[in-house]
Amino acid sequence: DGGITQSPKYLFRKEGQNVTLSCEQNLNHDAMYWYRQDPGQGLRLIYYSQIVNDFQKGDIAEGYSVSREKKESFPLTVTSAQKNPTAFYLCASSLIGQPSSYNSPLHFGNGTRLTVT
Amino acid sequence: GESVGLHLPTLSVQEGDNSIINCAYSNSASDYFIWYKQESGKGPQFIIDIRSNMDKRQGQRVTVLLNKTVKHLSLQIAATQPGDSAVYFCAENRGNQGGKLIFGQGTELSVKP
Repeated sequence: DGGITQSPKYLFRKEGQNVTLSCEQNLNHDAMYWYRQDPGQGLRLIYYSQIVNDFQKGDIAEGYSVSREKKESFPLTVTSAQKNPTAFYLCASSLIGQPSSYNSPLHFGNGTRLTVT
Repeated sequence: GESVGLHLPTLSVQEGDNSIINCAYSNSASDYFIWYKQESGKGPQFIIDIRSNMDKRQGQRVTVLLNKTVKHLSLQIAATQPGDSAVYFCAENRGNQGGKLIFGQGTELSVKP
C-alpha cells in the first residue's frame, strides 16, 4: 500500500533539546510539506519542498529546519529556538501538476504529537 | 488579513439527515479548493476537490458547491452517518502565491444516532 509514514506517533522531549520528526512517502510524489496543528485550529505551513535538495519556508518556519536529501524523505527538526513546540505535526505530499498551481491534493500522514516539557 | 474561514465551528445533525458545511474565502485569485475530513488523532483525509472553472462537483454522497461571486464554498453530505463525525476543513490553493494551500479552522460535525 502506498502512503505516508510518520514516526513516532507520540514524542516527548525536555525543553532545550532538538528533536527530529520522520516522514517517509512511497507515493513517488515530488512535493512534501510539514504542517503544524494546534488544538481547535487549522493547519499552518512550516516548510515545503518541491524537489530534492531544495525547500522553502512556509508561514511559521522560525525554530524549525528541514532537509530533502531523498525524494521519499523529508525530516523536520524542531529546534530549541522554537518557543512553543508542543503541537500535532503533520507531513504531506503531492504531485506537482501542470501548470504548477494545480497541484494534486495533499496526502497526509497520521501525524506526530510532540510534547515538550 | 486574508483567510479561509468557516461560518460555524460545530454542526450537529441527526443520522440520515443531510449536512451542509460552509466555508468563506477572500482571495479572488484562488483557483482550486479542497475539502478534507480529519478524525481524532489522524491526519486529514481528502474528500473532494473543485477547480475555479466549475460550480459544482459530486462524489459519493458528497457534493461541493463553489460560488465565486460571493467567494463561498460548501460541502454537502447526503444521508449523514455516524462515521461522518469528524472535523472538516476547507482549503484554498492560492495560484498567485506559488500554489500555497491555505486551510480554514475547521467545522466539527457530530452525528446523533
